[in-house]
Amino acid sequence: NAGVTQTPKFQVLKTGQSMTLQCAQDMNHEYMSWYRQDPGMGLRLIHYSVGAGITDQGEVPNGYNVSRSTTEDFPLRLLSAAPSQTSVYFCASSYRSLGGADEKLFFGSGTQLSVL
Amino acid sequence: GENVEQHPSTLSVQEGDSAVIKCTYSDSASNYFPWYKQELGKGPQLIIDIRSNVGEKKDQRIAVTLNKTAKHFSLHITETQPEDSAVYFCAARLSNFGNEKLTFGTGTRLTIIP
Repeated sequence: NAGVTQTPKFQVLKTGQSMTLQCAQDMNHEYMSWYRQDPGMGLRLIHYSVGAGITDQGEVPNGYNVSRSTTEDFPLRLLSAAPSQTSVYFCASSYRSLGGADEKLFFGSGTQLSVL
Repeated sequence: GENVEQHPSTLSVQEGDSAVIKCTYSDSASNYFPWYKQELGKGPQLIIDIRSNVGEKKDQRIAVTLNKTAKHFSLHITETQPEDSAVYFCAARLSNFGNEKLTFGTGTRLTIIP
């Protein structure tokens, strides 16, 4: 049981380049999400999914796209990277019981992205 | 929407002393309050959570207290050890919503001084 796996761990892009951050979980979680972590700003939700084929925007979605074709995978795409997207990105997943106890978020180990 | 403020942003304590981190929230309807610990180079991990039908919850050396009237909750770590050094995040949401409604505080970097 690997949990939440994110790749790559580090990435440097030039302004305007595109890339995909990969996220996979093996816990059969319905809910998957992407956060960015910036100094002094905590964890901010970019996009999330409550099941295969369903995605929605979080607090800071601009410049990012997502898709959820399987329960296991939830890739995050940067269409045209900008310096403002320099950040640490975390993928997280959980069960979705809407009020139940077993909803803790499981986070991946993060991707450090620098856009020059 | 919900707004969560967390203080202090950094905290240094001597090994063996206690550490307290405080959070306030804005939405009086929020009733689920988890705390996550992020060790260097890793993703955050849930360490304790509390729901608003209780005022305090303990798990060994860590405890969380909740004051619904004042809309604040705190993390208490007693007998601190070097492995407690990490960034701690509080969060809040309504328990009958999903984690897409979870709002995080800005984090506290805790350093334990040997």
